[in-house]
Amino acid sequence: SQQGEEDPQALSIQEGENATMNCSYKTSINNLQWYRQNSGRGLVHLILIRSNEREKHSGRLRVTLDTSKKSSSLLITASRAADTASYFCAANTGFQKLVFGTGTRLLVSP
Amino acid sequence: ETGVTQSPTHLIKTRGQQVTLRCSSQSGHNTVSWYQQALGQGPQFIFQYYREEENGRGNFPPRFSGLQFPNYSSELNVNALELDDSALYLCASGGSRENTDTQYFGPGTRLTVL
Repeated sequence: SQQGEEDPQALSIQEGENATMNCSYKTSINNLQWYRQNSGRGLVHLILIRSNEREKHSGRLRVTLDTSKKSSSLLITASRAADTASYFCAANTGFQKLVFGTGTRLLVSP
Repeated sequence: ETGVTQSPTHLIKTRGQQVTLRCSSQSGHNTVSWYQQALGQGPQFIFQYYREEENGRGNFPPRFSGLQFPNYSSELNVNALELDDSALYLCASGGSRENTDTQYFGPGTRLTVL
């Protein structure tokens, strides 16, 4: 399967803590994107990092990319209960499709 | 709110039947992609349409077919439904043919095949 892997599969933290999730992919990429999915519904785009970038910030989100290791990480700082969701990385190979990881289920408790 | 809508929200079919799922993309977006997401998995690419022509296909059999219309709407058709077709079906619209942009996803249609 071309699908990437995400680690951990599930993460449970308290409000205010940081959450880190990791993603590995298998092919060369144009960019890597992170999405959030609430309760098995539509995906919401969070952040995109291009293959020539190493780190990117957006609000409480920080994404890193290591193309030599084919890996990326997403850090959510000062987590809130509303951050509870599944998070997916998606590798954009530049040829029509996104290749998604298996997802990390994040639970943030008040 | 991504501006992408899908219908119906839920659908129940029996094995062997045919189903049509619909998507309305963002105005001005020339590409629409369809993904299948099985329970507990990440989405899997089915195919993409660009300006009404198929522009790439994933590892899905020919009984999965699609159409894209000039008014930014599209359809996913699945013939001869199988139990394993039960999944959330997502459409996503984007601006560029090369698909290097952000994809805007609809809320999905949950299909159950009995």
